[in-house]
Amino acid sequence: GEDVEQSLFLSVREGDSSVINCTYTDSSSTYLYWYKQEPGAGLQLLTYIFSNMDMKQDQRLTVLLNKKDKHLSLRIADTQTGDSAIYFCAEGSPNNAGNMLTFGGGTRLMVKP
Amino acid sequence: DAGVIQSPRHEVTEMGQEVTLRCKPISGHNSLFWYRQTMMRGLELLIYFNNNVPIDDSGMPEDRFSAKMPNASFSTLKIQPSEPRDSAVYFCASPAGTSGNTIYFGEGSWLTVV
Repeated sequence: GEDVEQSLFLSVREGDSSVINCTYTDSSSTYLYWYKQEPGAGLQLLTYIFSNMDMKQDQRLTVLLNKKDKHLSLRIADTQTGDSAIYFCAEGSPNNAGNMLTFGGGTRLMVKP
Repeated sequence: DAGVIQSPRHEVTEMGQEVTLRCKPISGHNSLFWYRQTMMRGLELLIYFNNNVPIDDSGMPEDRFSAKMPNASFSTLKIQPSEPRDSAVYFCASPAGTSGNTIYFGEGSWLTVV
């Protein structure tokens, strides 16, 4: 079955860039997503990329996709303390219900002031 | 649109009691997903619906769990009888936008079974 892997933890200093990495196995993935979860809250959709793209930029967020290696990354520029959260990578495969998502285990980002 | 709305936000119940979680998806799409999040297992897809019909319920843990979507604007996830190991956050998710490829989550129902 599909598998999505992420590193567990990342620590950066405020103002630095953060790069969160993700690998997936399903070559039929059409969309790849990044979600953010703050303590006690739900999953917030940050951004997503279609599988025929290799980069997407949205303000401080840059998503890079290497489809050959099945590697996805999320770069957060000028990381702030408010960016501290768990970040989930997810891959979506189309089915008759839309896009069913398979999630990675999440990367906990800690931003030190 | 107010997004995906779940209730209750928090519930504490005793083992053996029935628990009913509710979800109102984003309007305009007939798909809905129920996920469960625990520390040990992360995010697991329990069941998803399309056109109000359950398409895949292979993620439902056991017969104590059941889900319904009687119409396009409402779904329930029921646990009867509940057990302490059911303690988790239960998320409902719904597609949005013209293509339905963006999936939005509710704030979750935080269930504790004692």
